[in-house]
Amino acid sequence: GAVVSQHPSRVICKSGTSVKIECRSLDFQATTMFWYRQFPKKSLMLMATSNEGSKATYEQGVEKDKFLINHASLTLSTLTVTSAHPEDSSFYICGIRGRGNYGYTFGSGTRLTVV
Amino acid sequence: SQQGEEDPQALSIQEGENATMNCSYKTSINNLQWYRQNSGRGLVHLILIRSNEREKHSGRLRVTLDTSKKSSSLLITASRAADTASYFCATGTGANSKLTFGKGITLSVRP
Repeated sequence: GAVVSQHPSRVICKSGTSVKIECRSLDFQATTMFWYRQFPKKSLMLMATSNEGSKATYEQGVEKDKFLINHASLTLSTLTVTSAHPEDSSFYICGIRGRGNYGYTFGSGTRLTVV
Repeated sequence: SQQGEEDPQALSIQEGENATMNCSYKTSINNLQWYRQNSGRGLVHLILIRSNEREKHSGRLRVTLDTSKKSSSLLITASRAADTASYFCATGTGANSKLTFGKGITLSVRP
């Protein structure tokens, strides 16, 4: 299956700053990547679908200007949390779907804490 | 919006016992998948079952799907302490569709 690397695994930032999270597909050209957010002891909520070379598709209620997604190559998608606030503290996970396989491969996640 | 609803929400069993987790969903699906998440980590894909399949096996895992009842079950046989994790079902509506996750079940296997 595909291998996905997500970085950083943990980040603490101050309110008002921006944080960039990277998601790399190491052995597979991913035209589509998915960004999820997970609150403690909760399920994963899809934030947006990242499409290589085009704009991301955001889910209802997700602020596009707040969560900037860039998918400039077939192996890299980035999620930037802009002007972070404590309520943005969460676990963010990226995932890709392998070719011919509906199962996803997920990154190891990023624990964001905004202080 | 969430599609899958797992039950129970939490399950505690003794090592060696079988663990059965259920998932119900609301809309028509193309496939249903089960994932495992260790605390604070990413998700690992366990097994996928398509809408035209009724049962699937993978090692100690057995998944069933009843599309008439819109439900699925995941059975882990001969559980081990290392199976302790959260388990999520997720549904997909097609080849290029997004996955919608349920709330998850926390499984604790006591040694």
